Amino acid sequence: GQNIDQPTEMTATEGAIVQINCTYQTSGFNGLFWYQQHAGEAPTFLSYNVLDGLEEKGRFSSFLSRSKGYSYLLLKELQMKDSASYLCAVMDSNYQLIWGAGTKLIIKP
Amino acid sequence: ETGVTQTPRHLVMGMTNKKSLKCEQHLGHNAMYWYKQSAKKPLELMFVYSLEERVENNSVPSRFSPECPNSSHLFLHLHTLQPEDSALYLCASSQDLAGGYEQYFGPGTRLTVT
Repeated sequence: GQNIDQPTEMTATEGAIVQINCTYQTSGFNGLFWYQQHAGEAPTFLSYNVLDGLEEKGRFSSFLSRSKGYSYLLLKELQMKDSASYLCAVMDSNYQLIWGAGTKLIIKP
Repeated sequence: ETGVTQTPRHLVMGMTNKKSLKCEQHLGHNAMYWYKQSAKKPLELMFVYSLEERVENNSVPSRFSPECPNSSHLFLHLHTLQPEDSALYLCASSQDLAGGYEQYFGPGTRLTVT
């Protein structure tokens, strides 16, 4: 079966760095996405990785290792507004997104 | 209007009612999706349309019936729902089905079945 695993909840301090991990087992791979979802709102796109390595976009970076079925999202200089759920999703061989249950990130002052 | 819009934002219906959810995208995209989001569960893909043709129906009960009259509009018709169908229903669109195109989501319809 297809499976995406990520931690249920994480807590971090304002100004710090946090890494959210995602491991996956899917039938085929056409890229991995990270989305941010604030409570009561729609998910919004953060990043896309299809090749191994690190993609940096401002305070957010995303890493992919296809051989290990592993990705992480790195958030630097955390701000209170970063409190949200972070969703990992893998595009399978049918170009459908398989989603993780999301990691709820709590930022404390 | 810009992006992806959904109406209504909230819906309460009895198990014998018939209602429809509407989604409209103003992005010129070719693919549209219906998702169900329940608390603490992964997003569940329900239906996928590409160029107005349904390309996926992920074992969704027949009490959910999608309709895509054109590439900008997507409907989800609901009838004789069950309480466990209460959830957030999200519509999304992407440039195309294949390739690494990000999906843009609407704000969702919060559905409560009583």
